[in-house]
Amino acid sequence: GQQLNQSPQSMFIQEGEDVSMNCTSSSIFNTWLWYKQEPGEGPVLLIALYKAGELTSNGRLTAQFGITRKDSFLNISASIPSDVGIYFCAGQVSGGGADGLTFGKGTHLIIQP
Amino acid sequence: ETGVTQSPTHLIKTRGQQVTLRCSSQSGHNTVSWYQQALGQGPQFIFQYYREEENGRGNFPPRFSGLQFPNYSSELNVNALELDDSALYLCASSLAGSRSSGNTIYFGEGSWLTVV
Repeated sequence: GQQLNQSPQSMFIQEGEDVSMNCTSSSIFNTWLWYKQEPGEGPVLLIALYKAGELTSNGRLTAQFGITRKDSFLNISASIPSDVGIYFCAGQVSGGGADGLTFGKGTHLIIQP
Repeated sequence: ETGVTQSPTHLIKTRGQQVTLRCSSQSGHNTVSWYQQALGQGPQFIFQYYREEENGRGNFPPRFSGLQFPNYSSELNVNALELDDSALYLCASSLAGSRSSGNTIYFGEGSWLTVV
């Protein structure tokens, strides 16, 4: 099935560093969502974006909905150990959601002590 | 804690068997969707139910079917299981018709299915 192009695949960083990851698509999405998934659990919603150009923050997390509607990025500032996990971007075309979410393959974030 | 609960959490089935997975949506949510997540991959959309009818489907064969009940809970049924059906099956709920939350989809913790 279709997937978004998410990069990087993995990140090895030091605690306290800032993190940036992004997602691109060849097609337009009208909603972008960012999720975090930890082992043995389902994805947890971090940030939802509904308008092109929108910039939204949730604590140390900031995400933007690209102006072309074909990309989004997520930044994490001052990383801490509990930020470890897999981060997924997800896009949706229709407002009613009947087309479901299209996910990226995820970015594995690993924080070295 | 998303309020979306799934059962069972883990199960093992034999190739050719049938399986039913269950989901209770978050209180107030009227839309349920199901996703399949293979190891190392992002979730893949299977289908969505709204008002007890399937109103959207991804690229999955007819042996993947579902139900939504009047209380908005849902089942995913998979017939004639194949080895490649081994995956984490995620249920997600949302509220259709609300821009602030209608496109905001909350996931359960999933059901791990192993087909041997």
